[in-house]
Amino acid sequence: KNEVEQSPQNLTAQEGEFITINCSYSVGISALHWLQQHPGGGIVSLFMLSSGKKKHGRLIATINIQEKHSSLHITASHPRDSAVYICAVRGNTGNQFYFGTGTSLTVIP
Amino acid sequence: GAGVSQSPSNKVTEKGKDVELRCDPISGHTALYWYRQSLGQGLEFLIYFQGNSAPDKSGLPSDRFSAERTGGSVSTLTIQRTQQEDSAVYLCASSRDSANYGYTFGSGTRLTVV
Repeated sequence: KNEVEQSPQNLTAQEGEFITINCSYSVGISALHWLQQHPGGGIVSLFMLSSGKKKHGRLIATINIQEKHSSLHITASHPRDSAVYICAVRGNTGNQFYFGTGTSLTVIP
Repeated sequence: GAGVSQSPSNKVTEKGKDVELRCDPISGHTALYWYRQSLGQGLEFLIYFQGNSAPDKSGLPSDRFSAERTGGSVSTLTIQRTQQEDSAVYLCASSRDSANYGYTFGSGTRLTVV
């Protein structure tokens, strides 16, 4: 069983659509990260959050600690948003990180 | 430099040989992580350095893997007697403070063991 589950695994959207990617985890955490991996492998850290909500441009990340769930939202999606989005959590015992398998997003013009 | 620098970007080695992968983190970043991503797989945590503390080696898959961080800056990941299953992209990331900040990834080293 994976400590971090993401859904959906694959997502295709039309440009302009509102997108939601979900992450559920089963371990106690000190922080949750959303990462973006573009084709070619480059990884960018989008958000780190331990409570509440963060917003950066068209991206919004929320976390519900009680429900052990986080969502990444993309408003007014654009083809350049096409990437793999990875949820990662840092356990609250030690330094172990657990990763979801990623959500592959394709935004069609 | 402005980002996390990894070298080499690509490495092809023969099975059984040793390899060294280098990571140059962002200046002032005290936390440094090594991960690997095998083909079609997710990210796998390998090792974590924080300041002068003893590293967290809990993710290293075998004793053929080791890493050091000299002077709290540059880190080297060494794989001895490489095996084909070691083929992966090895990623390094650094952070100012792992508890309170996000982290910046390097572009990775693609290791191919033939």
